[in-house]
Amino acid sequence: QVQLQESGPGLVKPSETLSLTCTVSGDSIGSYYWAWIRQPPGKALEWIGYIYYSGSTNYNPSLKSRVTISVDTSESQFSLRLSSVTAADTAVYYCARHKRRAMPYDAFDIWGQGTMVTVSS
Amino acid sequence: EIVLTQSPGTLSLSPGERATLSCRASQSVSSGSLAWYQQKPGQAPRLLIYGASSRATGIPDRFSGSGSGTDFTLTISRLEPEDFAVYYCQQYSSSPHTFGQGTNLEI
Repeated sequence: QVQLQESGPGLVKPSETLSLTCTVSGDSIGSYYWAWIRQPPGKALEWIGYIYYSGSTNYNPSLKSRVTISVDTSESQFSLRLSSVTAADTAVYYCARHKRRAMPYDAFDIWGQGTMVTVSS
Repeated sequence: EIVLTQSPGTLSLSPGERATLSCRASQSVSSGSLAWYQQKPGQAPRLLIYGASSRATGIPDRFSGSGSGTDFTLTISRLEPEDFAVYYCQQYSSSPHTFGQGTNLEI
């Protein structure tokens, strides 16, 4: 079955760029939308943005100026970059798949286990 | 942006009881584009309900979703010990996708 696995540094310094990668296994990355979602400690989930396998993206306006999501279909990976981070960006970061093929507006049916990123000097 | 407000914030019940969780949207969620997730400590959310009322694969039939427009409900007919968790609603009717603040279902 499809599995997602996040990877990247667990500690990032303030003002630097957070970079995470999500590796998709068990199925093709093609024809689906893929998302990043985060959850600060003890708080609710926040949608960061999504990317289609073709490369088209949509970002949360609250983060849009700092976010870039990219895809590498040859490696079955998609990535998140969040620039100029502060302590407020400390969170568990999840990657997830949209449930239906080619649907930008959809529920998330497959999630990675999540990776904790702490912003601190 | 559509704001989702979940109530109650915490719901204290016992196994075997019925749980009713509410999710209210600040504007209409078109085409029933609302999902419910269950999250246990240290785990990723799990999709329970999509399209307001369709159960996701492998979800027991004690979980049911209903509602339309701005008012949605998740019902758990007979609580099992493993159902005690935090539940989130999410709308995917418009961008940005948004989540509610969660309901903590506790024993």
